[in-house]
Amino acid sequence: NAGVTQTPKFRILKIGQSMTLQCAQDMNHNYMYWYRQDPGMGLKLIYYSVGAGITDKGEVPNGYNVSRSTTEDFPLRLELAAPSQTSVYFCASRPTGRNSPLHFGNGTRLTVT
Amino acid sequence: RKEVEQDPGPFNVPEGATVAFNCTYSNSASQSFFWYRQDCRKEPKLLMSVYSSGNEDGRFTAQLNRASQYISLLIRDSKLSDSATYLCVVGGSSNTGKLIFGQGTTLQVKP
Repeated sequence: NAGVTQTPKFRILKIGQSMTLQCAQDMNHNYMYWYRQDPGMGLKLIYYSVGAGITDKGEVPNGYNVSRSTTEDFPLRLELAAPSQTSVYFCASRPTGRNSPLHFGNGTRLTVT
Repeated sequence: RKEVEQDPGPFNVPEGATVAFNCTYSNSASQSFFWYRQDCRKEPKLLMSVYSSGNEDGRFTAQLNRASQYISLLIRDSKLSDSATYLCVVGGSSNTGKLIFGQGTTLQVKP
């Protein structure tokens, strides 16, 4: 059981480049999330999804796009990368239910220079 | 006002001490509450969910105060291995799925 898988683990982008961070889960969870964590800070919610075909903005959605075409996958797209997007990105999923906890991937460390 | 707020600390305590963290939230309709632990910017790990009646897991006790809109985490008999960042997580009304993290509280337990 792989849980939540994020790829890549590390990436260096030049300003203005684009990339997609991949996230897949094999637990049939309806809810999926993307968070970013800057040094010394907590996790900020970028986007989340409550099921295939449904996505919602979180606290810091600007500069990102997501899609949820299947239950398993929730890719995060960065268009026109900026230094302010240098961060650690965590994908998470959880089943429905008020007390269902988040299951996290290992994170993607992104540097934009 | 931030949706979820924590005192970032750091809290420096000796081994064996009891330490408590609070986390306030702004949305009175919030239904989901958790405490997570994070080590060295690795992925957060669930410490415990927080239930309305309060709950305990070994040395850890979590409580919810809906009237004052905060949750708390009490750690008794602190161990060196408890040194970490503790993150509170608060979710909105039951079907929105949205979960917001506090900025985290750093705990350093010293010998």
